[in-house]
Amino acid sequence: EVQLVESGGGLVQPGGSLRLSCAASGFSFSNYWMSWVRQAPGKGLEWVADIKQDGSATRYVDSVKGRFTISRDNAKNSLHLQMNSLRAEDTAVYYCARMDGATGGDFDIWGQGTMVTVSS
Amino acid sequence: DIVMTQSPDSLAVSLGERATINCKSSQSVLYSSNNNNYLAWYQQKPGQPPKLLIYWASTRASGVPDRFSGSGSGTDFTLTISSLQAEDVAVYYCQQYYSTPLTFGPGTKVDIK
Repeated sequence: EVQLVESGGGLVQPGGSLRLSCAASGFSFSNYWMSWVRQAPGKGLEWVADIKQDGSATRYVDSVKGRFTISRDNAKNSLHLQMNSLRAEDTAVYYCARMDGATGGDFDIWGQGTMVTVSS
Repeated sequence: DIVMTQSPDSLAVSLGERATINCKSSQSVLYSSNNNNYLAWYQQKPGQPPKLLIYWASTRASGVPDRFSGSGSGTDFTLTISSLQAEDVAVYYCQQYYSTPLTFGPGTKVDIK
């Protein structure tokens, strides 16, 4: 079964850091671009970052550039998001998502998400 | 950035009736070299992650019932549920993947009348 399982969410104070992880199984992880997409409580979806199959290219939404770092470990079939200098507006459910190999841009597999709350 | 808008914000449709959701992009998402529209649709039920329904604006994803269809080109797109079922109650999002940042519409909530 194709599966993505996120972990690492929690409560953190403003200015703090958190590292999210996503464990992939059931497919050839190293063949796909991977992404993080977030959803603030009661709000819509926002793409955060993505990373190329071999990790050689990354892209970010402007609001997280310089604060968040996406990375991957193909040997361990895992995706990560290092989040530094966290702000209240980063509070959201963070989804790990596989980018469609056929189109390169939509998200065909999603994890269940992990909640990040930034509050004092 | 390409801004995505959707209309209506919400709609209520009787079981078995047609539901139509519109999505508009602030610039064309049609890539002329391959004549593909870089537009996807998702369904999100409460407490669940989104599920891909449609890509290339009109191609159904694997396992998606044929009552879901996508149409449109350039900047104007439509998701149609031909005969609404109870399990279709959800929020529906469009998304462009023509350029980064990848952006989503604000969502349209579909309920049963």
